[in-house]
Amino acid sequence: NAGVTQTPKFQVLKTGQSMTLQCAQDMNHEYMSWYRQDPGMGLRLIHYSVGAGITDQGEVPNGYNVSRSTTEDFPLRLLSAAPSQTSVYFCASTSWGKNTEAFFGQGTRLTVV
Amino acid sequence: GESVGLHLPTLSVQEGDNSIINCAYSNSASDYFIWYKQESGKGPQFIIDIRSNMDKRQGQRVTVLLNKTVKHLSLQIAATQPGDSAVYFCAERAVQGAQKLVFGQGTRLTINP
Repeated sequence: NAGVTQTPKFQVLKTGQSMTLQCAQDMNHEYMSWYRQDPGMGLRLIHYSVGAGITDQGEVPNGYNVSRSTTEDFPLRLLSAAPSQTSVYFCASTSWGKNTEAFFGQGTRLTVV
Repeated sequence: GESVGLHLPTLSVQEGDNSIINCAYSNSASDYFIWYKQESGKGPQFIIDIRSNMDKRQGQRVTVLLNKTVKHLSLQIAATQPGDSAVYFCAERAVQGAQKLVFGQGTRLTINP
């Protein structure tokens, strides 16, 4: 199993551009989530999904959209990139039966200039 | 609101010594407390969790202690090794948002040879 795969690993955007961060998991986990990590800070929840077709907002959802059309994929869309969205983004998946153990991807380092 | 914080942002210990990483939390309703380890350039990795009705749980070389009276959580690592060098995050799972994890800021553990 590959676990949680995020692409791309690095991305530079200009202010106002849009893009999609991809996340895929092959563990058949029901729950998936997106976090952002800023220097010296912990992870903050952006959006999460408890299953295909169901998404909800986390702590810092503004400027981001998500969808969950399949169990495996949970893309994160930046609608109009802003410098404040410069961060490292992590996708995670969790099994419903063991939902304190989140499996994280390697992260996407995004810079908005 | 919910918040999880750490007493010390950095901790240096000698190889072979025991390490203790501390964490304070504020949400008395959280039902699980979790420790994650993040190595440089990687996503966080689950270490151990403890349910709120327990005060101690042991894993391989790690022990988590929970003191609900003072809302304090600690991670003890026995006989630290160079591979233990990482940032350690505590997290809590609020009962109301069963799949939402709230992370603390992290403690950087450095192992000196």
